[in-house]
Amino acid sequence: EPEVTQTPSHQVTQMGQEVILRCVPISNHLYFYWYRQILGQKVEFLVSFYNNEISEKSEIFDDQFSVERPDGSNFTLKIRSTKLEDSAMYFCASRIDREQFFGPGTRLTVL
Amino acid sequence: AQSVTQPDIHITVSEGASLELRCNYSYGATPYLFWYVQSPGQGLQLLLKYFSGDTLVQGIKGFEAEFKRSQSSFNLRKPSVHWSDAAEYFCAVVRLNTGFQKLVFGTGTRLLVSP
Repeated sequence: EPEVTQTPSHQVTQMGQEVILRCVPISNHLYFYWYRQILGQKVEFLVSFYNNEISEKSEIFDDQFSVERPDGSNFTLKIRSTKLEDSAMYFCASRIDREQFFGPGTRLTVL
Repeated sequence: AQSVTQPDIHITVSEGASLELRCNYSYGATPYLFWYVQSPGQGLQLLLKYFSGDTLVQGIKGFEAEFKRSQSSFNLRKPSVHWSDAAEYFCAVVRLNTGFQKLVFGTGTRLLVSP
């Protein structure tokens, strides 16, 4: 059964450093999403992506964040200058119809 | 504000007892409705979903949920809880006609199962 994959599973970085979180969505899916979950809190929407552009973003998704689908298979989330409060689990999701399929997540720890 | 509410932060149920987790939404029109389960340190697993039609939906692991339009609710139920059901449960909705269908999650309910 096809699935969404994410790498790395855990990323540790220093405050101020850039990180790139990678996702490989299911191959025939057209809509892509990033969500995050701060430890002990609910899952929050960050951004949706369709037809090679951002379709919607939350207020969390400020200028420090960017997304890209560089090669037709990967879908990346970049944080340019990480802050302590960016520490969270980041989930990628994709869909073609009404159901979103989630990846296993990347745990980002900012020190 | 439009939102998803899970009023119970924690619930403890004895193994073998029945379970009901509550979820209410405040959107005007009926959204798509989902329940996800998350074990500690793990990702999100879809338990069940409601788009339209029969208001009682069956999911995986013996879970079911009932959509009640009059109450704007989508409560999750299981007749007999197993110790392996201990996890965090999230209700989520997708507002229709928003184009790109982001999921809006509730704050979650942590289920503890006692022997």
